[in-house]
Amino acid sequence: ILNVEQSPQSLHVQEGDSTNFTCSFPSSNFYALHWYRWETAKSPEALFVMTLNGDEKKKGRISATLNTKEGYSYLYIKGSQPEDSATYLCAFLRSNDYKLSFGAGTTVTVRA
Amino acid sequence: DVKVTQSSRYLVKRTGEKVFLECVQDMDHENMFWYRQDPGLGLRLIYFSYDVKMKEKGDIPEGYSVSREKKERFSLILESASTNQTSMYLCATNVRGDSNQPQHFGDGTRLSIL
Repeated sequence: ILNVEQSPQSLHVQEGDSTNFTCSFPSSNFYALHWYRWETAKSPEALFVMTLNGDEKKKGRISATLNTKEGYSYLYIKGSQPEDSATYLCAFLRSNDYKLSFGAGTTVTVRA
Repeated sequence: DVKVTQSSRYLVKRTGEKVFLECVQDMDHENMFWYRQDPGLGLRLIYFSYDVKMKEKGDIPEGYSVSREKKERFSLILESASTNQTSMYLCATNVRGDSNQPQHFGDGTRLSIL
C-alpha cells in the first residue's frame, strides 16, 4: 500500500478565517490526485481530480494546487464557514494499476 | 446524480457468521469498489470489479470475497466474520476507461463483529 500522507490530522479554524493543509504522495507512477470531502453521516463527495503538474482547481471558496514533481498538493479554504467542517481526503491514482491510495484525511472543524 | 446505495447503515454480527454487504448503483457504471475505513488510516481497497462476473483483489482481500452477478450490484462477503473486521465499509463506483473521473461513494456500513 503506497504512502499517502495528509497533515495536519485535524485542525480548528475560526469562522471567516482561511486555512490550508497538505497531501503528500509518491512522485513516481503518478496518474491523478483526487480530493474528497466527507461530512459526518454522509458519503464522501468528490471535490477535484487533478492530473497536470501545476494544476490549480477551484470550487467556490475551496481551491487546490498540485506539484507532481515533488509529490504534494495543497487544499485551501478561504473564509471558512461552519458548513466546511468535514474530513478532507486526498487519494493518489497510480498509473501502473489505476488503483486509488487514500490518505487518512484532515478533519477540519470551523468554530462560529 | 449518481446514487450508490448500501443495504445497511449499521450492522451487528457474531464471530464466525457469514456476512453479506450489498451495494447497488443506478448509473450503469462498470467499475465498482469495496473499501474499509479504520481510525487513523486511509480508505483501504478490499476488492474491485471492472465488469459483471469480474473481480480483482485490492490491497487487503484476506478474509473477504465478492460477487458481481449483475452490473448494478456488487456484494462483499465476509466468509467467517472476525472481530478484526469490525470497521466502516464503503462502496464506490465510477466509469471505466476514464481515469479522470472521480469515484462516487455510498453512505457506508458500520459493521460490528462481536
